[in-house]
Amino acid sequence: EMVVTQSPATLSVSPGERATLSCRASQSVSSNLAWYQQKPGQAPRLLIYGASTRATGIPARFSGSGSGTEFTLTISSLQSEDFAVYYCQQYNKWPYTFGQGTKLEIK
Amino acid sequence: QVQLVQSGAEVKKPGSSVKVSCKASGGTFSRSTFSWVRQTPGQGLEWMGGIVPALRAANSAPKFQGRVTITADISTSTAYMDLSSLRYEDTAIYYCAKDMEGADDSFDVWGQGTMVTVSS
Repeated sequence: EMVVTQSPATLSVSPGERATLSCRASQSVSSNLAWYQQKPGQAPRLLIYGASTRATGIPARFSGSGSGTEFTLTISSLQSEDFAVYYCQQYNKWPYTFGQGTKLEIK
Repeated sequence: QVQLVQSGAEVKKPGSSVKVSCKASGGTFSRSTFSWVRQTPGQGLEWMGGIVPALRAANSAPKFQGRVTITADISTSTAYMDLSSLRYEDTAIYYCAKDMEGADDSFDVWGQGTMVTVSS
């Protein structure tokens, strides 16, 4: 089973600043990597798929990059509504696997 | 706009089974892949398995093999997840999610979640 590891576990950033979240897969997933945002009491929401394509309705301040085993989610200028937990997921091969999440909190 | 509506919360005893439904409205049900993802209290997301209704082909994560059965009824656009031999640690929120109908396998639509509590 492929292991997906996110870092850091918690990231403290001030509103208006940039946030960079990392995701590493234990083997190549090509570009079959997605990022999700989850807020308390809500289902996850797809932000990025194919490693770098924004999902419908996702603001341009969210961007994804990487391929193979190393991926990054960047939020260019944090807004108050961006403070949440972020998960990456590989869907290159069943069983699909998620990272353990990065909690983005207000500094 | 595709929506997934799941069945309501359940309370089950250890050793019993639970069946959660996920009804889709909009989109083309048979062309999608439906997955089940669970989230234990305070924990992350765990993919349990998925099904392609058009192919009647299902797969499950090794951790759940032998305990989980994923099915779909094309006539009612409903996917189901049946988890047997319930343990206390199966207490979680169970989500269904669908892919982009062949365009990409990521999960662009999620159900609202179903809370399953295992308690004696």
